[in-house]
Amino acid sequence: QKEVEQNSGPLSVPEGAIASLNCTYSDRGSQSFFWYRQYSGKSPELIMFIYSNGDKEDGRFTAQLNKASQYVSLLIRDSQPSDSATYLCAVKNTGRRALTFGSGTRLQVQP
Amino acid sequence: DAGVIQSPRHEVTEMGQEVTLRCKPISGHNSLFWYRQTMMRGLELLIYFNNNVPIDDSGMPEDRFSAKMPNASFSTLKIQPSEPRDSAVYFCASSLTRTKNIQYFGAGTRLSVL
Repeated sequence: QKEVEQNSGPLSVPEGAIASLNCTYSDRGSQSFFWYRQYSGKSPELIMFIYSNGDKEDGRFTAQLNKASQYVSLLIRDSQPSDSATYLCAVKNTGRRALTFGSGTRLQVQP
Repeated sequence: DAGVIQSPRHEVTEMGQEVTLRCKPISGHNSLFWYRQTMMRGLELLIYFNNNVPIDDSGMPEDRFSAKMPNASFSTLKIQPSEPRDSAVYFCASSLTRTKNIQYFGAGTRLSVL
């Protein structure tokens, strides 16, 4: 079992819709959770991070964390074609500074 | 801030040759990470340093790979001898412990071993 699991996609949504990206993790002691966006041929860039159960909003992005279910999600409201990218979920495990990354979900926003 | 700087951006070499990848972390950051990304395996951690000291090198695939961090502003990842299966994009990232360990990535080095 992979430590961080994501559906590889592609997830296709129409422009203006809400895109919902999901991630599950296996280490129950995980403390911090990150969403990175990676455009084709580019490096990962941080979009959001979340540490506490519940929702965290930043502009069109909302991260949701449920530690009991070991589940973290990213919602993108009013999706734009420029949001088309691969979204990587990353988890900081107990006692490590390094992050464990999921394989990423490819999002396609159709104009 | 210039961000994490990696060089070269692209490297093409022949099997058996030595390859050295370089990284300059963000000034003031105390942790540095080397990752490798391939289509098949995704983004994998190779090694990370804290305060210039290697902490976890369990991701280094084999003895052909080595990494050093002689000072707080420079790190190298060396592959000797290189093999075609080493072809990948290698990323360096840095973070600062007191800012929640958020990692910032460099632009990466695309390595092709022929």
